[in-house]
Order: sequence, then C-alpha cells, then structure tokens
Amino acid sequence: RKEVEQDPGPFNVPEGATVAFNCTYSNSASQSFFWYRQDCRKEPKLLMSVYSSGNEDGRFTAQLNRASQYISLLIRDSKLSDSATYLCVVNYGQNFVFGPGTRLSVLP
Amino acid sequence: DVKVTQSSRYLVKRTGEKVFLECVQDMDHENMFWYRQDPGLGLRLIYFSYDVKMKEKGDIPEGYSVSREKKERFSLILESASTNQTSMYLCASFRASDTQYFGPGTRLTVL
Repeated sequence: RKEVEQDPGPFNVPEGATVAFNCTYSNSASQSFFWYRQDCRKEPKLLMSVYSSGNEDGRFTAQLNRASQYISLLIRDSKLSDSATYLCVVNYGQNFVFGPGTRLSVLP
Repeated sequence: DVKVTQSSRYLVKRTGEKVFLECVQDMDHENMFWYRQDPGLGLRLIYFSYDVKMKEKGDIPEGYSVSREKKERFSLILESASTNQTSMYLCASFRASDTQYFGPGTRLTVL
C-alpha cells in the first residue's frame, strides 16, 4: 500500500462547479499536512496547510481527520485558472511524502 | 518570500557525461532535498541534507551523489549520466515547523 493515496483523476468539471479531492495516508505518526498545486511543467507550490480544525482560504477548504487518516480539499466556484494537478503532502520529521496527484481540468 | 533557485531550467547531456545540478536557497533553511519527477511516478526523493556536509539517501539514490559544502547550496551530481536519468529534477528546502519550498526545476535530457 502506498503511503499517500489520492483520487486517480483526472477530474473534468465545468466552470463554477464544486470539486472535492480526497487523500488518505498510512503513517499514523504523520504530523503536518499540506495541499500543493502544480501547473504543467512547473514546480509544486504550496496551496494551503491542513489543520485538524479545518481551514478555509477563499474558495478553498481543507479538512483533516486524524482518526481516519484522511485529508480533503474542496474547491467551490471553480475557475479556469484552477486547472492544475493537486498534490496531497504528509510530513513527519524531515520526511515529506507526496501523493501521486489528481489532475483537474476546469472547462469553459 | 522564500527563494529557491536552480542553475538551469533545461539541460541536454550525453550518456556518460558528468552532470552537476545546483540549487541555492536564500532563507537559511537547514534542510534541502533533491527529487525527480516522472509521469505516472510522481515525486521521488533522491537525497536530502539536514545540515552542512550531512546527507541522507532517499528512495532512489542509485546513480546520484550530492554535496552540501555551504548551508545555502545543495548540489546533485550524476557521475555518469544515463538515458534513464532523463527527468525533471526539483530541489526543495525547508525549516522545521514550516513546509517545503521548491525551485523551478531542471528538465534534464540525456541522449
């Protein structure tokens, strides 16, 4: 079993749709959690950290369920510019484990 | 703003050549990483360093070595490049209680 698993994708959604990404991790010692966004042929960039209480940044909401070892990202009112690959990242100590990513295409 | 820079965006080398990829960060981060990213395989850790002159093997260190002589600089070395090392190479740095920041990547082609 992979350490971090994500929805295989790709997700093709119309503009304005709400889209949810799911991620599970296997290491219960994981301490910090993040969502990164990666555009085609570019480097991954931090989208948001994920906290146990859940956190929101504009149209983006991240949730963490430590008991279930599950992380989610919700994008509301999706824009064309949201098209990218979304990477779930789990950290413990100096280790960062990246999920394989889920590609999102927002269509006009 | 954290800045991580890499010496080249695109590089073309021949089989058997020695290749140096340089990474520099300007935020005094202790930890630096080298990954490669290939379609369908995601990001794979090659080596990381948690301090000057310290290095640790990642998941796929074979065929690579690294050097960390100064805190801000972490070099990846391909002693004898091979075609299966054609990939996107990404450098990252981080400080405890923070997250990783990536450089723009080097797309290496080995002919």
